[in-house]
Amino acid sequence: QVHLEQSGGEVKKPGASVKVSCKASGYTFTTYGITWVRQAPTQGLEWMAWISPYNGHTNLAQKFQGRLTVTTDTSTTTAHLDLRNLTSDDTAVYYCARAGGYGGYLLYWGQGTLVTVSS
Amino acid sequence: DIQMTQSPSTLSASVGDRVTITCRASQSVTNWLAWYQQKPGKAPKLLIYDASSLESGVPSRFSGSGSGTEFTLTISSLQPDDFATYYCHRYNSYPWTFGQGTKVE
Repeated sequence: QVHLEQSGGEVKKPGASVKVSCKASGYTFTTYGITWVRQAPTQGLEWMAWISPYNGHTNLAQKFQGRLTVTTDTSTTTAHLDLRNLTSDDTAVYYCARAGGYGGYLLYWGQGTLVTVSS
Repeated sequence: DIQMTQSPSTLSASVGDRVTITCRASQSVTNWLAWYQQKPGKAPKLLIYDASSLESGVPSRFSGSGSGTEFTLTISSLQPDDFATYYCHRYNSYPWTFGQGTKVE
């Protein structure tokens, strides 16, 4: 069965970078894109990025342009999110997710990774 | 960017009530819209995709309707397990966006 296992929580200082990993299993990794979504404490869901493990093509939310990189490693079936120059506003749970089929609806979700930015 | 406006932000209801949540898009998203349920500390769970298709295993009391710019999630008879926050999500074009959420309490 499809499973997305994310890396553990992180505590970072303002100005630092964080890397969150998402290991996929139970399906052919290159067939479906990986989406990243975050959720600040008590807030709603925020779409961040999408990447195709097949060809590396990405779509990023404009607000993160310049400090967000998303990549995939097909040899380990793992997706990575790298967010730089962190501020307290980046404190959130970060989720990776995969579509259920041809569309963009997100059927499979990782368990979430809490990133805390604090001095 | 296409914005999604979800209403109400909070909804007070009782077991057995019929519940309706609305999501409006600033321009047409055709039928590329999903609904999710989220409980505290958990990842969202897909309920409805392509505006009206019920995800496998989701109870039939959940239904979705609409197309273009106006969409509705209906719970025909609210059950104790349904008290949660619900989000719409459009995926017709990038950047994808979510509604602000509706907490059913």
